[in-house]
Amino acid sequence: GENVEQHPSTLSVQEGDSAVIKCTYSDSASNYFPWYKQELGKRPQLIIDIRSNVGEKKDQRIAVTLNKTAKHFSLHITETQPEDSAVYFCASQPPGRRALTFGSGTRLQVQP
Amino acid sequence: DADVTQTPRNRITKTGKRIMLECSQTKGHDRMYWYRQDPGLGLQLIYYSFDVKDINKGEISDGYSVSRQAQAKFSLSLESAIPNQTALYFCATSDSGDGGTDTQYFGPGTRLTVL
Repeated sequence: GENVEQHPSTLSVQEGDSAVIKCTYSDSASNYFPWYKQELGKRPQLIIDIRSNVGEKKDQRIAVTLNKTAKHFSLHITETQPEDSAVYFCASQPPGRRALTFGSGTRLQVQP
Repeated sequence: DADVTQTPRNRITKTGKRIMLECSQTKGHDRMYWYRQDPGLGLQLIYYSFDVKDINKGEISDGYSVSRQAQAKFSLSLESAIPNQTALYFCATSDSGDGGTDTQYFGPGTRLTVL
């Protein structure tokens, strides 16, 4: 089955700096790659996603890039703010009737 | 997201007891999932159901069973709870007709402690 590896497991940045989280996947047929944010004590929520026919997608301060050849995708957060502090999960999904596979999560701490 | 509810929200039980966690949704989604989250760790898929008659094991199904009573209801059972099943359990839903993006909407979670 699909395997997703996520790095780093923890990331601490100064407010205003950029943060990058990287994920690799194993199934070359995977075609959907979402990112979820989980604030402390809350449920995970989708923040951005990308399909395999697109190389990059942006939404204000967040962006996701996809390299299908290398089978990796990354989340980029610019001008980080304290409210960006959370656990971020990547996921991938092969085509057909198959569920998402989540990465192990990255705990991002933005220092004021 | 109030459209996905879980009961109970917290539960403390003893080793060997049978426990049922329930999930209901009013989103009209056909797909439902149960995940487990251990402290500091990611989301592990226990079971998923793509429609009422379709139940599939996830990566950690041993010790768990599920029932899809209706499109809106998906319950998770621990037949004989053990301490290492202490975790936060999330239910989630998605819509197969969502342009192929399969966005997951999570419930608030059930915190289960097995003594």
